[in-house]
Amino acid sequence: GQNIDQPTEMTATEGAIVQINCTYQTSGFNGLFWYQQHAGEAPTFLSYNVLDGLEEKGRFSSFLSRSKGYSYLLLKELQMKDSASYLCAVTDSNYQLIWGAGTKLIIKP
Amino acid sequence: TAGITQAPTSQILAAGRSMTLRCTQDMRHNAMYWYRQDLGLGLRLIHYSNTAGTTGKGEVPDGYSVSRANTDDFPLTLASAVPSQTSVYFCASSSSGGARDEQFFGPGTRLTVL
Repeated sequence: GQNIDQPTEMTATEGAIVQINCTYQTSGFNGLFWYQQHAGEAPTFLSYNVLDGLEEKGRFSSFLSRSKGYSYLLLKELQMKDSASYLCAVTDSNYQLIWGAGTKLIIKP
Repeated sequence: TAGITQAPTSQILAAGRSMTLRCTQDMRHNAMYWYRQDLGLGLRLIHYSNTAGTTGKGEVPDGYSVSRANTDDFPLTLASAVPSQTSVYFCASSSSGGARDEQFFGPGTRLTVL
């Protein structure tokens, strides 16, 4: 079966750094996405990784290890507006996105 | 640019009734998708369309049907609603449906079936 695992909820402090992990087992792999979803809103694209390594984009970075079936999203200099759910999704061999249940990130002042 | 619009925003529906959720995009994207999102579960693909005139089944297609008569519109129909179809429904689109294509999401329709 296909499976994407993420922690259900994490808490961090404004100004700090947080790492959200994602592990996956899918039939084939054609890339991994991270999306952000604020409560009551639609998901929005954050990053895409298809090769091993770290992709940096401003305060957000995403890492991929294909051999370990593992990715993480790193958020630096946390702001209150970063309070949201972060969704990990993998493109499988059929080019369909398989989604994790998401990690709810709570930022405290 | 509007991007993707969905209608209605929310709806309460009696079990056994039919309903069509509307989705329109103005980005000239070839691929479109319907997902449902339930608490504690990831987004689950209901149906998809890689180009106008073609559709395919996703992970949870039972009880739903779609059509893709043109590039812009991708309506989702529930023929006879059941309470387990209570969910938030998101329509999405991507440029070509390729592996690295970002999906753009509509604002969602919150559906309650009683």
